[in-house]
Amino acid sequence: NAGVMQNPRHLVRRRGQEARLRCSPMKGHSHVYWYRQLPEEGLKFMVYLQKENIIDESGMPKERFSAEFPKEGPSILRIQQVVRGDSAAYFCASSPGLAGGPNEQFFGPGTRLTVL
Amino acid sequence: AQTVTQSQPEMSVQEAETVTLSCTYDTSESDYYLFWYKQPPSRQMILVIRQEAYKQQNATENRFSVNFQKAAKSFSLKISDSQLGDAAMYFCASFKGGTSYGKLTFGQGTILTVHP
Repeated sequence: NAGVMQNPRHLVRRRGQEARLRCSPMKGHSHVYWYRQLPEEGLKFMVYLQKENIIDESGMPKERFSAEFPKEGPSILRIQQVVRGDSAAYFCASSPGLAGGPNEQFFGPGTRLTVL
Repeated sequence: AQTVTQSQPEMSVQEAETVTLSCTYDTSESDYYLFWYKQPPSRQMILVIRQEAYKQQNATENRFSVNFQKAAKSFSLKISDSQLGDAAMYFCASFKGGTSYGKLTFGQGTILTVHP
Protein backbone atom coordinates (compact mmCIF):
# COMPACT_ATOMS: atom_id res chain seq x y z
CA ASN A 1 0.00 0.00 0.00
CA ALA A 2 1.70 3.16 -1.18
CA GLY A 3 1.89 6.02 1.26
CA VAL A 4 0.67 9.56 0.78
CA MET A 5 2.15 10.97 -2.40
CA GLN A 6 2.91 14.61 -2.98
CA ASN A 7 4.26 16.27 -6.07
CA PRO A 8 6.24 18.07 -6.93
CA ARG A 9 8.72 17.65 -4.07
CA HIS A 10 10.30 20.97 -4.89
CA LEU A 11 8.67 23.89 -6.66
CA VAL A 12 10.22 27.21 -7.55
CA ARG A 13 8.05 30.11 -8.58
CA ARG A 14 8.62 33.78 -9.22
CA ARG A 15 6.53 36.36 -7.44
CA GLY A 16 3.12 36.69 -9.05
CA GLN A 17 3.03 33.19 -10.53
CA GLU A 18 0.68 30.41 -9.51
CA ALA A 19 1.69 27.33 -7.52
CA ARG A 20 -0.23 24.04 -7.69
CA LEU A 21 0.57 21.38 -5.14
CA ARG A 22 -0.84 17.90 -5.53
CA CYS A 23 -1.59 15.25 -2.95
CA SER A 24 -2.71 11.68 -3.53
CA PRO A 25 -3.98 10.14 -0.29
CA MET A 26 -3.33 6.60 0.75
CA LYS A 27 -5.57 4.04 -0.89
CA GLY A 28 -8.90 3.87 0.88
CA HIS A 29 -8.47 7.23 2.63
CA SER A 30 -11.21 9.76 2.07
CA HIS A 31 -9.96 12.58 4.30
CA VAL A 32 -7.17 14.97 3.36
CA TYR A 33 -5.48 17.66 5.43
CA TRP A 34 -3.05 20.37 4.36
CA TYR A 35 -0.48 21.87 6.71
CA ARG A 36 2.15 24.53 6.18
CA GLN A 37 5.56 24.58 7.84
CA LEU A 38 7.40 27.87 7.76
CA PRO A 39 11.17 27.78 8.36
CA GLU A 40 12.06 26.97 11.97
CA GLU A 41 8.41 26.54 12.93
CA GLY A 42 5.93 23.76 13.55
CA LEU A 43 3.23 22.67 11.17
CA LYS A 44 0.16 24.88 10.97
CA PHE A 45 -3.19 23.52 9.87
CA MET A 46 -4.62 25.03 6.71
CA VAL A 47 -7.59 23.04 5.46
CA TYR A 48 -9.39 19.72 5.83
CA LEU A 49 -11.31 18.15 2.96
CA GLN A 50 -13.35 15.11 2.21
CA LYS A 51 -14.17 14.06 -1.30
CA GLU A 52 -15.71 17.07 -3.08
CA ASN A 53 -16.20 18.96 0.19
CA ILE A 54 -14.23 21.44 2.25
CA ILE A 55 -14.92 20.62 5.88
CA ASP A 56 -12.70 23.10 7.72
CA GLU A 57 -10.72 25.89 6.10
CA SER A 58 -10.13 27.93 9.24
CA GLY A 59 -6.37 27.95 8.69
CA MET A 60 -6.41 29.08 5.08
CA PRO A 61 -5.43 32.64 4.25
CA LYS A 62 -8.50 34.47 3.01
CA GLU A 63 -6.99 35.46 -0.31
CA ARG A 64 -4.97 33.70 -3.01
CA PHE A 65 -5.22 30.23 -1.44
CA SER A 66 -7.72 27.56 -2.42
CA ALA A 67 -8.00 23.80 -2.08
CA GLU A 68 -10.03 21.07 -3.67
CA PHE A 69 -10.41 17.32 -3.43
CA PRO A 70 -12.38 16.16 -6.47
CA LYS A 71 -14.25 12.92 -6.77
CA GLU A 72 -11.50 11.61 -9.03
CA GLY A 73 -7.87 12.55 -8.79
CA PRO A 74 -5.60 14.13 -6.22
CA SER A 75 -6.25 16.95 -3.83
CA ILE A 76 -4.89 20.26 -5.08
CA LEU A 77 -3.66 23.21 -3.04
CA ARG A 78 -3.52 26.26 -5.26
CA ILE A 79 -1.71 29.48 -4.44
CA GLN A 80 -2.29 32.36 -6.81
CA GLN A 81 0.06 35.32 -7.23
CA VAL A 82 2.66 33.90 -4.90
CA VAL A 83 4.71 36.16 -2.67
CA ARG A 84 8.00 35.51 -0.90
CA GLY A 85 6.17 34.88 2.38
CA ASP A 86 4.53 31.81 0.82
CA SER A 87 7.91 30.06 0.76
CA ALA A 88 7.45 27.06 3.04
CA ALA A 89 7.05 23.32 3.15
CA TYR A 90 3.49 22.20 2.50
CA PHE A 91 2.48 18.86 3.91
CA CYS A 92 -0.52 16.79 3.05
CA ALA A 93 -1.90 14.10 5.35
CA SER A 94 -4.67 11.59 4.85
CA SER A 95 -6.78 9.48 7.14
CA PRO A 96 -9.40 6.78 6.71
CA GLY A 97 -13.05 7.36 7.54
CA LEU A 98 -13.21 5.23 10.66
CA ALA A 99 -15.46 6.02 13.59
CA GLY A 100 -14.33 5.93 17.21
CA GLY A 101 -11.33 7.99 18.27
CA PRO A 102 -9.05 10.13 16.13
CA ASN A 103 -7.98 8.54 12.88
CA GLU A 104 -4.23 8.55 12.50
CA GLN A 105 -3.10 11.07 9.92
CA PHE A 106 -0.47 9.71 7.57
CA PHE A 107 1.78 12.40 6.17
CA GLY A 108 3.29 12.81 2.75
CA PRO A 109 6.91 13.89 2.21
CA GLY A 110 5.91 17.51 1.63
CA THR A 111 6.39 20.02 -1.16
CA ARG A 112 8.99 22.68 -0.59
CA LEU A 113 7.88 25.88 -2.29
CA THR A 114 10.45 28.57 -2.95
CA VAL A 115 9.31 31.94 -4.22
CA LEU A 116 12.00 34.03 -5.86
CA ALA B 1 -8.82 26.77 20.82
CA GLN B 2 -5.88 24.54 21.57
CA THR B 3 -2.27 25.65 21.97
CA VAL B 4 0.84 23.54 22.28
CA THR B 5 4.18 24.85 23.53
CA GLN B 6 7.60 23.25 23.34
CA SER B 7 10.06 25.35 25.29
CA GLN B 8 13.22 23.50 24.27
CA PRO B 9 14.34 24.51 20.77
CA GLU B 10 17.25 22.04 20.94
CA MET B 11 18.29 19.07 23.04
CA SER B 12 21.20 16.67 22.83
CA VAL B 13 21.91 13.23 24.24
CA GLN B 14 24.68 10.67 24.17
CA GLU B 15 23.98 7.42 22.40
CA ALA B 16 22.46 4.84 24.78
CA GLU B 17 21.46 7.53 27.28
CA THR B 18 17.97 8.80 28.12
CA VAL B 19 16.51 12.16 27.16
CA THR B 20 13.23 13.87 27.97
CA LEU B 21 11.53 16.37 25.69
CA SER B 22 9.03 18.77 27.24
CA CYS B 23 5.62 19.85 26.03
CA THR B 24 2.82 21.84 27.61
CA TYR B 25 -0.59 22.42 26.17
CA ASP B 26 -3.72 24.37 26.81
CA THR B 27 -7.24 23.35 25.93
CA SER B 28 -10.75 23.97 27.11
CA GLU B 29 -11.80 20.53 25.92
CA SER B 30 -12.38 17.70 28.36
CA ASP B 31 -11.83 15.11 25.66
CA TYR B 32 -8.62 15.33 23.68
CA TYR B 33 -5.63 13.37 22.46
CA LEU B 34 -1.93 14.14 22.49
CA PHE B 35 0.76 12.96 20.12
CA TRP B 36 4.47 13.06 19.53
CA TYR B 37 5.67 13.14 15.93
CA LYS B 38 9.20 12.72 14.64
CA GLN B 39 10.50 14.58 11.60
CA PRO B 40 13.89 13.25 10.48
CA PRO B 41 16.04 15.07 7.91
CA SER B 42 13.95 13.43 5.17
CA ARG B 43 11.10 15.68 6.50
CA GLN B 44 8.68 12.77 6.59
CA MET B 45 6.39 13.12 9.62
CA ILE B 46 6.22 9.90 11.63
CA LEU B 47 3.86 9.24 14.52
CA VAL B 48 5.86 8.15 17.56
CA ILE B 49 3.27 7.79 20.30
CA ARG B 50 -0.21 8.89 21.27
CA GLN B 51 -2.04 9.42 24.55
CA GLU B 52 -5.76 9.58 25.24
CA ALA B 53 -6.52 12.23 27.84
CA TYR B 54 -9.07 10.05 29.58
CA LYS B 55 -6.46 7.38 30.25
CA GLN B 56 -4.39 7.80 33.40
CA GLN B 57 -1.82 5.25 32.33
CA ASN B 58 1.11 6.71 30.43
CA ALA B 59 1.54 5.41 26.89
CA THR B 60 4.67 3.48 25.94
CA GLU B 61 6.02 2.28 22.60
CA ASN B 62 9.24 0.32 22.95
CA ARG B 63 11.95 2.86 23.91
CA PHE B 64 9.49 5.76 23.85
CA SER B 65 7.26 6.67 26.77
CA VAL B 66 5.35 9.71 27.92
CA ASN B 67 4.79 11.39 31.25
CA PHE B 68 1.26 12.74 31.04
CA GLN B 69 0.39 15.17 33.84
CA LYS B 70 -3.18 16.17 33.11
CA ALA B 71 -3.60 18.72 35.91
CA ALA B 72 -0.39 20.46 34.92
CA LYS B 73 -1.21 20.12 31.20
CA SER B 74 2.19 18.62 30.61
CA PHE B 75 3.07 15.87 28.15
CA SER B 76 6.76 15.00 28.00
CA LEU B 77 8.44 12.36 25.83
CA LYS B 78 11.15 10.12 27.23
CA ILE B 79 13.49 8.34 24.86
CA SER B 80 15.47 5.55 26.49
CA ASP B 81 18.62 3.94 25.11
CA SER B 82 18.92 6.71 22.51
CA GLN B 83 20.09 5.68 19.06
CA LEU B 84 21.66 7.67 16.26
CA GLY B 85 18.50 7.15 14.24
CA ASP B 86 16.52 9.05 16.87
CA ALA B 87 18.11 12.30 15.74
CA ALA B 88 15.30 14.42 14.35
CA MET B 89 12.90 17.26 15.03
CA TYR B 90 10.20 16.20 17.46
CA PHE B 91 6.78 17.79 17.52
CA CYS B 92 4.15 17.58 20.21
CA ALA B 93 0.57 17.85 18.92
CA SER B 94 -2.97 17.88 20.24
CA PHE B 95 -6.28 16.78 18.78
CA LYS B 96 -9.75 17.73 19.93
CA GLY B 97 -11.74 14.71 21.02
CA GLY B 98 -15.35 13.87 20.35
CA THR B 99 -14.67 13.38 16.68
CA SER B 100 -12.67 11.03 14.50
CA TYR B 101 -11.48 13.72 12.11
CA GLY B 102 -10.05 17.16 12.42
CA LYS B 103 -6.90 19.20 12.66
CA LEU B 104 -3.78 18.59 14.66
CA THR B 105 -2.32 21.52 16.57
CA PHE B 106 1.47 21.35 16.68
CA GLY B 107 4.13 22.86 18.93
CA GLN B 108 7.18 24.62 17.57
CA GLY B 109 9.36 21.53 17.70
CA THR B 110 12.54 20.39 19.45
CA ILE B 111 15.64 19.44 17.51
CA LEU B 112 17.23 16.35 19.06
CA THR B 113 20.89 15.62 18.39
CA VAL B 114 22.32 12.22 19.32
CA HIS B 115 26.08 12.07 19.90
CA PRO B 116 27.94 8.80 19.29
